[in-house]
Amino acid sequence: DTEVTQTPKHLVMGMTNKKSLKCEQHMGHRAMYWYKQKAKKPPELMFVYSYEKLSINESVPSRFSPECPNSSLLNLHLHALQPEDSALYLCASSPDREGTEAFFGQGTRLTVV
Amino acid sequence: AQKITQTQPGMFVQEKEAVTLDCTYDTSDQSYGLFWYKQPSSGEMIFLIYQGSYDEQNATEGRYSLNFQKARKSANLVISASQLGDSAMYFCAMRPGAVYNFNKFYFGSGTKLNVKP
Repeated sequence: DTEVTQTPKHLVMGMTNKKSLKCEQHMGHRAMYWYKQKAKKPPELMFVYSYEKLSINESVPSRFSPECPNSSLLNLHLHALQPEDSALYLCASSPDREGTEAFFGQGTRLTVV
Repeated sequence: AQKITQTQPGMFVQEKEAVTLDCTYDTSDQSYGLFWYKQPSSGEMIFLIYQGSYDEQNATEGRYSLNFQKARKSANLVISASQLGDSAMYFCAMRPGAVYNFNKFYFGSGTKLNVKP
């Protein structure tokens, strides 16, 4: 199983809503990632978890709150987002060592209204 | 600092022909990995091919090959016998080897490939 599963695939939320994005993998990978991607741009790294601990936060606003409940799951909690936060949010996982590829999910297309 | 440069925003290729997508990189790390990903309009990033900095042979995976020229710091992707389904955005990426940094994947700006029938 080389799959990273993200839910939901599409999400529309208001600026006062609270929602969560979910990501799951069963490849035994101990590094998990959240990326944000705007149209026609490369993915931008947001957070990295290594062995369920937050290891990288790329100065992401606090309205995005990541959580890694266990080695297979990664969540991104969203609160008080702005319209400019509308984007494709990609989850990825990889072994926690150099020289290995990251596997990506299909992403969640988020629209903030 | 790590940087990936893709200088071709868009490319066209005739079906069944070969195409080369350019990628150059900049790093001071001795050990690193280079990757190519394909992103169709559906959004998923699909891993295509990997080249390690110490690998002497160019990587190949089916119709994909990576033309690795370490001295020039280039890692071009060659797609042979293009198919209509190859139309997508292609990203070159690098994973540094340093232990404090190896969980950061650096992406180029991408190349949009269109395969014409």
